[in-house]
Amino acid sequence: GENVEQHPSTLSVQEGDSAVIKCTYSDSASNYFPWYKQELGKGPQLIIDIRSNVGEKKDQRIAVTLNKTAKHFSLHITETQPEDSAVYFCAATSGDAGNKLTFGGGTRVLVKP
Amino acid sequence: GAGVSQSPSNKVTEKGKDVELRCDPISGHTALYWYRQRLGQGLEFLIYFQGNSAPDKSGLPSDRFSAERTGESVSTLTIQRTQQEDSAVYLCASSLFVRSETQYFGPGTRLLVL
Repeated sequence: GENVEQHPSTLSVQEGDSAVIKCTYSDSASNYFPWYKQELGKGPQLIIDIRSNVGEKKDQRIAVTLNKTAKHFSLHITETQPEDSAVYFCAATSGDAGNKLTFGGGTRVLVKP
Repeated sequence: GAGVSQSPSNKVTEKGKDVELRCDPISGHTALYWYRQRLGQGLEFLIYFQGNSAPDKSGLPSDRFSAERTGESVSTLTIQRTQQEDSAVYLCASSLFVRSETQYFGPGTRLLVL
């Protein structure tokens, strides 16, 4: 089955700096890669996603890149703000088995003011 | 509009007792998913429903876990004879169709087994 690795597990950045989180996946059939943000005591919230036919996608301060050959994808947050502090999860699915998502272990991001 | 809701938000139980966790998906969403999140870890897939059917139950950790869905709406995850290792946050998600990729998550039920 699919295996998703996520790094780093924790990330501390100064407000205004950029944050980068990287994930690798094992199943070459995976074709959809969402990123979720989870705040304390809440469920994960989708912040951006990318499909395998696209190499990069941006939404304001957030961007995701995908390298299908190397089987890795990354989340980039620019001009970080204190409200960006949360746990971020990457995930992957091939669309099989009901589109079940395989998640990475999460990255705890702390933005210091 | 209303998102995915789960109840209870917190549950404390004694080892050996049975618990039922409830999920109300977004209205009209035909696909429903259950995940488990242990403290400080990622989400682990448990089971999904297409309508009221669960085509793949292989993600359930043991035969103490079961789930059902009725009326293509509410779903219940039941854990029998709870063990301390069952302590986790149980998250429910729904999507418009099984082939729809975007899953919307509820706030979760935090289960603590003493």
